[in-house]
Amino acid sequence: GQQLNQSPQSMFIQEGEDVSMNCTSSSIFNTWLWYKQDPGEGPVLLIALYKAGELTSNGRLTAQFGTTRKDSFLNISASIPSDVGIYFCAGLLGASGTYKYIFGTGTRLKVLA
Amino acid sequence: DAGVTQSPTHLIKTRGQQVTLRCSPKSGHDTVSWYQQALGQGPQFIFQYYEEEERQRGNFPDRFSGHQFPNYSSELNVNALLLGDSALYLCASRDLSDEQFFGPGTRLTVL
Repeated sequence: GQQLNQSPQSMFIQEGEDVSMNCTSSSIFNTWLWYKQDPGEGPVLLIALYKAGELTSNGRLTAQFGTTRKDSFLNISASIPSDVGIYFCAGLLGASGTYKYIFGTGTRLKVLA
Repeated sequence: DAGVTQSPTHLIKTRGQQVTLRCSPKSGHDTVSWYQQALGQGPQFIFQYYEEEERQRGNFPDRFSGHQFPNYSSELNVNALLLGDSALYLCASRDLSDEQFFGPGTRLTVL
């Protein structure tokens, strides 16, 4: 199936460090979403982006909608152990009534206390 | 305000059987999408329902079918189960701002 490219695939970081991950595509998207998923649970929405160049924050999380509309970035500042999980980006294709979200391959984050 | 709910939580079936999974969207949401998530992968879009009709479909065979009821709840049916159908099945509902919210998922194991 169709998926977006996320990098890095996985990362180990020390508690307190900042984290950066990105998502790229060959397609143009009108909306980007970032999710976090814990094992055995559904993804939880973190941030939504609607305009090229938009920078949006949610607590220690900051995400940006790339100016080309083909990429997006997520930063986590001062990581803590509960940031552990899998982070997915998702891009929206189509218009209302006939849309679908395409998901990235995921970035697995592990935080070392 | 209840979020997206799904049932059952877990399910074990054997090859060739049929399964029905259920989903209730978040209050106020009228559009439901279903995803399949294999272990270690991102969610793969199966299909989307709006106004009781399938509006968009991903690359899944006809063995995967669905339904949406007047109260916006939805079912996913899979016929002639294969071992490869083992996955976490996620339901999501969407609001007018394009934000999509997921349920906890149904873990299907096919033996």
